[in-house]
Amino acid sequence: GAGVSQSPSNKVTEKGKDVELRCDPISGHTALYWYRQSLGQGLEFLIYFQGNSAPDKSGLPSDRFSAERTGGSVSTLTIQRTQQEDSAVYLCASSVLGPMGGVYGYTFGSGTRLTVV
Amino acid sequence: GDSVTQMEGPVTLSEEAFLTINCTYTATGYPSLFWYVQYPGEGLQLLLKATKADDKGSNKGFEATYRKETTSFHLEKGSVQVSDSAVYFCALPGGYNKLIFGAGTRLAVHP
Repeated sequence: GAGVSQSPSNKVTEKGKDVELRCDPISGHTALYWYRQSLGQGLEFLIYFQGNSAPDKSGLPSDRFSAERTGGSVSTLTIQRTQQEDSAVYLCASSVLGPMGGVYGYTFGSGTRLTVV
Repeated sequence: GDSVTQMEGPVTLSEEAFLTINCTYTATGYPSLFWYVQYPGEGLQLLLKATKADDKGSNKGFEATYRKETTSFHLEKGSVQVSDSAVYFCALPGGYNKLIFGAGTRLAVHP
């Protein structure tokens, strides 16, 4: 597609429920990143995909968080047994690696605002 | 590890005022530096970048100069508009092509 698409744009869930957040990157972008933006805080890196593999999962805050990417395209971030502190905006970005790719070519989606009540 | 520190907001200005948002960094070597902007309800967009020391990035009337002596990349604009109201993030590259962001500075411009 023309841009990075994330769904849903808003999600309200009850504490303890599982949620899935979806990211559809720009076609041809091999690199995909998930970030979390909490109220009053900056962007916290969660995970990086190169193709379908995730060489850097260092930012996942707990084992309740997991992510996968299939077909080198769509990625899903899953949060199990949600807690109130998981409330945040979850942002996805993609880029093509190579000249003017990587950090130079980041394109962000509009994010999913997750509220855990 | 590498990090970015931004001035805390919110910054509230009247239209046509001069803007400075401070950003300092800690890094090994001389990484590229970036400013991203997030308008209400939207994702982050690259505003400008500088790839080496003494470079000046500019876009939409905003400028930032890469100062290695002071490890700074302050964002400036001579005359802000209401439409510039947004959150501004300073960033530098981390490992695996990820970006390390500052906490963000919210700018509110009033007519």
